[in-house]
Amino acid sequence: EVQLVEFGGGLVQPGGSLRLSCAASGFTFSSYAMNWVRQAPGKGLQWVSGINSRGVATYYAGSVKGRFTISRDNSKNTLHLEMSSLRVDDTAVYYCAKDRSTAGYGDLDYWGQGTLVTVSS
Amino acid sequence: DIVMTQSPDSLAVSLGGRATINCKSSQSVLYSSNNKNYLAWYQQKPGQPPKLLIYWASTREFGVSDRFSGSGSGTDFTLTISRLQAEDVAVYYCQQYYSDPPYTFGQGTKLEIK
Repeated sequence: EVQLVEFGGGLVQPGGSLRLSCAASGFTFSSYAMNWVRQAPGKGLQWVSGINSRGVATYYAGSVKGRFTISRDNSKNTLHLEMSSLRVDDTAVYYCAKDRSTAGYGDLDYWGQGTLVTVSS
Repeated sequence: DIVMTQSPDSLAVSLGGRATINCKSSQSVLYSSNNKNYLAWYQQKPGQPPKLLIYWASTREFGVSDRFSGSGSGTDFTLTISRLQAEDVAVYYCQQYYSDPPYTFGQGTKLEIK
């Protein structure tokens, strides 16, 4: 059974940093691209960042580029999101999501339960 | 970035009825080399993560009820839910995954029972 479990969320002050992680199990982690998608309270879904299966290609939404860094450790089946210079509008539930295909097209077939990041003074 | 626009923002349909949700992309998401539309539909129930329903605009994900169907090509797409059941109450999102990221989602359509 595929499982994605996010952790690392919490309350942080504006300008602060936080590192999210996602522990994956039940599939060959190193074969799939992975993504972070966030959802602000009461709002819609926003794709944040993606990384290919080998970790050599990374992608970011314009709103987080230069502030967030995605990475993965295929030996530990773990995905990370390093967030810095956090702003109030980064407040959201952050989901880890798996690409459906090993080809890395971008449709997402498994999602974690999410971890809440609150940026507030 | 490709902008995805859904309509309506919300709709109410009677039990057993049919719900139709539209999604329009600001540019074509049809890849001519393989004739595939890079468009997915998701369902999100309150307090839950999204669930993939449809990919390639019309291919149902394994285990998804055949009451859900996707259609359209290029820039205009539709998700149809037939024989509406109470369990279908949710917010539905379209997503384009054409070419390299950023991928983008529509704003969501809230489906309720009339």
